[in-house]
Order: sequence, then structure tokens, then C-alpha cells
Amino acid sequence: DTGVSQDPRHKITKRGQNVTFRCDPISEHNRLYWYRQTLGQGPEFLTYFQNEAQLEKSRLLSDRFSAERPKGSFSTLEIQRTEQGDSAMYLCASSLGQGAYTGELFFGEGSRLTVL
Amino acid sequence: GNSVTQMEGPVTLSEEAFLTINCTYTATGYPSLFWYVQYPGEGLQLLLKATKADDKGSNKGFEATYRKETTSFHLEKGSVQVSDSAVYFCALSNYNAGNMLTFGGGTRLMVKP
Repeated sequence: DTGVSQDPRHKITKRGQNVTFRCDPISEHNRLYWYRQTLGQGPEFLTYFQNEAQLEKSRLLSDRFSAERPKGSFSTLEIQRTEQGDSAMYLCASSLGQGAYTGELFFGEGSRLTVL
Repeated sequence: GNSVTQMEGPVTLSEEAFLTINCTYTATGYPSLFWYVQYPGEGLQLLLKATKADDKGSNKGFEATYRKETTSFHLEKGSVQVSDSAVYFCALSNYNAGNMLTFGGGTRLMVKP
């Protein structure tokens, strides 16, 4: 399968714990995005990378959230000191950019976080 | 800023009925417009898109026309099937904004046999 893959698919944690999600994009895609989706809502943009550079972060991304894409391939999203309000589906997507713009993002199936 | 508003669901139809899901947007410049679909247990996937005014996107019997004068991109299908049951998201992106997608809240469609 050469699509976007995310791991783990589901994470249950206690309030105050740290969690980390991983995303492996489509290999030739240089842009990688993180979105958050709560039940009954559309996905909300969190941050995106062009290769290894993090180019934009949403105001939704508090100081407890950090994302990295160290070699311009896979990315991690870490949430420190989780709160119940962090419970959501975290979506990763990738796309081509810079001259290969199509506007189409390819999404993974998401990582569902449940904070107890 | 950019925003997308779509009709709230759920929308419940009988098989072979006509479908319309309304979508309007607010954006600077000349955005591209998309409909994404999320089938149960699956990730979001692109259904169709239109990149300039009066363009019509189409796929799997679904159509939507980019109407700049009414800032709308309504999704239509002439005859829905049970397999079309899913959540549909209208979205827009601006090239000068990193081609990030701004999504509407989603509309759940349920098609009964």
C-alpha cells in the first residue's frame, strides 16, 4: 500500500500523559499536513511542512503540541500533558507542492486519541 | 479569512432520489474548491474539484459547479445509491496559503434501499 499511513490507529491515555503519533506520507510528496477532527465536525488545520520545514502553525496548536519532520519524510505529532479536550481524530495528509500544485491532499485513516 | 459553510445533516434519501448538498464559501483571491467524502471506517478522499469559476467537477455521478457570483459549490447527484452513504465535506484551498484545506462541517448522507 503506497498511501498515507498513520500509527497508532487508536490511543487511549490518561489525562496528563504524553502521546506521540506518527505519519508516513506518500513517498514523493514534499508537503505534509496535520489536521484535527472532532466528532461531527470538519477537519481543522493544525500545521504543515514543506520538506523538513514547518511553515505554518494554527492558533489551535497550543504549546503542548509539537510536530516534527526531521528528514522531510515521516512526521511525528506529540501532545504533552494531555487533556480531555485533546480527544479527537488526528489526521495526516500529504501532497505535492511548488510547481506540482493540484490542491489535492491525500489523507491517512487517522489516529484516534481518547483521553480519560 | 477563509471559511466554508455547508448544509447540516443528516440527509436521508431513498435509493435513486436526487441529491443536493449546499456549500457556500468565503475566501480571498481565487480559491480552488473541493468535495471530499469519508466512507464509514475510511479516510477522507477527494471526490471532485474545480479550480476556476464556471468549472464543473464530476466523478462517480456526482457534479458540482464553481459559481463565483454566488460563492457556491453545491454537490449534486441525479440518482443516489445505498453505497453513497457517507459524510461529505466541502473544502477550499488557496495556492498562496500553502494549499491548506479549509473544510466545512460535513453533511452525513444516509441512503435507504
